[in-house]
Amino acid sequence: NAGVTQTPKFQVLKTGQSMTLQCAQDMNHNSMYWYRQDPGMGLRLIYYSASEGTTDKGEVPNGYNVSRLNKREFSLRLESAAPSQTSVYFCASGPLLNSPLHFGNGTRLTVT
Amino acid sequence: KQEVTQIPAALSVPEGENLVLNCSFTDSAIYNLQWFRQDPGKGLTSLLLIQSSQREQTSGRLNASLDKSSGRSTLYIAASQPGDSATYLCAVSPISSGSARQLTFGSGTQLTVLP
Repeated sequence: NAGVTQTPKFQVLKTGQSMTLQCAQDMNHNSMYWYRQDPGMGLRLIYYSASEGTTDKGEVPNGYNVSRLNKREFSLRLESAAPSQTSVYFCASGPLLNSPLHFGNGTRLTVT
Repeated sequence: KQEVTQIPAALSVPEGENLVLNCSFTDSAIYNLQWFRQDPGKGLTSLLLIQSSQREQTSGRLNASLDKSSGRSTLYIAASQPGDSATYLCAVSPISSGSARQLTFGSGTQLTVLP
């Protein structure tokens, strides 16, 4: 059972470059989330998708866009990367009811 | 705005000791509170989830309590082992998040259990 799969695991970008982080879950969950984790700041929500076909901004959405391609896949796009976007990005999924979230292993992004 | 605080930021204990990790939150209007474990370079693994109507949950050597009125939760780890070394994060699901059930996280407590 793969759970939540994120690709790539590591990425280095130059300022201004663009890229898409991919996330897929095989648990038939309705909700999916993108978080970023920075030292001493915990995880902060970037965007989320409560169900297929819907997306909403979280706490720190500036500089990012998302696509809920289907129920399984939720991608995060950086159109013009900035050094402030250097972080570890986590995708998570969960059902709508009160159940634990499942996290991927993260993408470590460095923007120089 | 919901804020979650975890104190201490780091904790080091000898093997076999019982220990308590603390979490506090500012808004008691929550659906649930979750405790996660994060190993270096890895994602988060859910340990325990406490519904807002519950007072505690137990799993093996772990016991989590919730006092919603005071905005506090504790994670009790009995007979700690070196394998328990990790960062422990708590997170709350605010009622204001609606059906999305998004989480607000604390910064975590980095636990080291010394052999």
